[in-house]
Amino acid sequence: KAGVTQTPRYLIKTRGQQVTLSCSPISGHRSVSWYQQTPGQGLQFLFEYFSETQRNKGNFPGRFSGRQFSNSRSEMNVSTLELGDSALYLCASTLEGTGFGKLFFGSGTQLSVL
Amino acid sequence: QQQVKQSPQSLIVQKGGISIINCAYENTAFDYFPWYQQFPGKGPALLIAIRPDVSEKKEGRFTISFNKSAKQFSLHIMDSQPGDSATYFCAADTGTASKLTFGTGTRLQVTL
Repeated sequence: KAGVTQTPRYLIKTRGQQVTLSCSPISGHRSVSWYQQTPGQGLQFLFEYFSETQRNKGNFPGRFSGRQFSNSRSEMNVSTLELGDSALYLCASTLEGTGFGKLFFGSGTQLSVL
Repeated sequence: QQQVKQSPQSLIVQKGGISIINCAYENTAFDYFPWYQQFPGKGPALLIAIRPDVSEKKEGRFTISFNKSAKQFSLHIMDSQPGDSATYFCAADTGTASKLTFGTGTRLQVTL
């Protein structure tokens, strides 16, 4: 069974641009979560989608948004990029999103903002 | 603020030794406490997890000890191996396991 797939693996953008990251969850998984990982702040929860609906949201500005499609694939978008947005963005999926399900992470998209 | 405090930041253990990583939490609503292992260039992978209704859970060489009254939990890696060299994160959640609050991570190096 294929794992969580994130594309692209690396991305370089300049300040002010916007970026879209993609995540394909494990087949059959309906919940997709996004996390930002930085050396200074560690792993921080961005948002979670379940059955195309945002179910949970972390403490990030509105420039960070996401969506989930009917096939459970998810995208996250960051608009008006800032230098501080440079980070590893991780996507994770779980089967049901409830009941302490096992969270499977992808290898992430490394975003560099210049 | 929901926080999970993790220590130490880094740890060097000899092969065959015991690695111990500690975490403390504040939010008493947390009821799911997983540990994740992350290798360079990879996403975190679930290692072991515990619910607060038990004080200890063991899976192979990995053991979680949980102290509900002290709001602390720890990961013990017995017979540590060089292949265990990675960054370990504790985490906590209130039920869905999809909105995890992570500790700051411990970089473990197991030397020969």
